[in-house]
Amino acid sequence: EVQLVQSGAEVKKPGESLKISCQASGYRFPSYWIGWVRQMPGKGLEWMAIIYPGDSDIRYSPSFQGQVTISADEYISTVYLMWSSLKPSDSAMYFCVRLYNWSDRLDFWGQGTLVSVSS
Amino acid sequence: EIVMTQSPATLSVSPGESATLSCRASQSISRNLAWYQQRPGQAPRLLIYGASTRATGISARFSGSGSGTEFTLTISSLQSEDFAVYYCQQYNDWRTFGQGTKVDIK
Repeated sequence: EVQLVQSGAEVKKPGESLKISCQASGYRFPSYWIGWVRQMPGKGLEWMAIIYPGDSDIRYSPSFQGQVTISADEYISTVYLMWSSLKPSDSAMYFCVRLYNWSDRLDFWGQGTLVSVSS
Repeated sequence: EIVMTQSPATLSVSPGESATLSCRASQSISRNLAWYQQRPGQAPRLLIYGASTRATGISARFSGSGSGTEFTLTISSLQSEDFAVYYCQQYNDWRTFGQGTKVDIK
């Protein structure tokens, strides 16, 4: 059974750094793209970034380029999303998702990680 | 960037009735379109891909159609668990989501 299990909710202050995680199981981790999707409170879904763990090929949506960093650890089947300096506007729910293929559907979703940034 | 526009923003439907949701792409995306359902407090889940193929385990009450720039998701005989927000997403060129249609109880 494919599962994406995300790390727990975070409460941070502006300017702090943060790394959230998504651990995959039930399939061959290096062979599928995994991405991150943001959902701000009461809003829709936004693509952020994706990574192919097999060769660490990475792509960012223009809106998020330079704002976040995606990475993967193939040995523990985990993908990360990192911020070096959080802003209150980063407060949102973040979902990791598996792509069936490069140009294809998002077939499995993590449960979400809520990030709250406030002074 | 391909812009996906969903309509209506909110659809009020009585249980047992059907609902028709629309999604329009700003340029042709062939049939590279998926639909997702998001219930309150939950992660989205895949309903339809390739514009009309139901994902594993999805009820036959959900059907998708369309190609090019115009797409439709139809939900027949709405049940309580179907009241949710529905998103379309194109994967023809990078990937973008529509803004969502909320289906609520009339």
